[in-house]
Amino acid sequence: LAKTTQPISMDSYEGQEVNITCSHNNIATNDYITWYQQFPSQGPRFIIQGYKTKVTNEVASLFIPADRKSSTLSLPRVSLSDTAVYYCLVAPPENFNKFYFGSGTKLNVKP
Amino acid sequence: DVKVTQSSRYLVKRTGEKVFLECVQDMDHENMFWYRQDPGLGLRLIYFSYDVKMKEKGDIPEGYSVSREKKERFSLILESASTNQTSMYLCASSSGQGRSPLHFGNGTRLTVT
Repeated sequence: LAKTTQPISMDSYEGQEVNITCSHNNIATNDYITWYQQFPSQGPRFIIQGYKTKVTNEVASLFIPADRKSSTLSLPRVSLSDTAVYYCLVAPPENFNKFYFGSGTKLNVKP
Repeated sequence: DVKVTQSSRYLVKRTGEKVFLECVQDMDHENMFWYRQDPGLGLRLIYFSYDVKMKEKGDIPEGYSVSREKKERFSLILESASTNQTSMYLCASSSGQGRSPLHFGNGTRLTVT
């Protein structure tokens, strides 16, 4: 089971780009990297998923280096509404009981 | 858009009561999950189900049971509620295909007094 390490918290200001890095040194060959966002009093929400290189969608980008031992979630031009906890998960997609959420990164966006 | 609905947002029960938490999803997903979330401990998997009438224990199944009689509904049962089961309970679903992400409900905050 690939454990992940993320910063406990980060501060940013509105309009800035925010990069949250997740370390997963023992990632396995068939593991995917998935990021979720959670607002207070809500369940986590899927943001983005990738295997290698770069993935981009309308919300974020995910950068994965060649060795795949880390990944970086990039949020362009954050707003106050991006204040949330962000979780990085590493798991093979078919192993449902291997989704380890950890404590996530609390992103605080200031005006 | 996938919708996962948990029957109660807040619930207060007494120690020893039998508690039912209900979850319904509307996307015909094969897989359903129950997590609990506690400060400093993140989300921990209690049980999951990959098909009707099928269930698998997660990391912390003690004190809980589940029921999946229909594909869209997954119930979490606390046989005899205890104060250490006070928590936020989150239900999720996913399709059975490859890299399908988890879709979560908004949670039930259970307080056991």
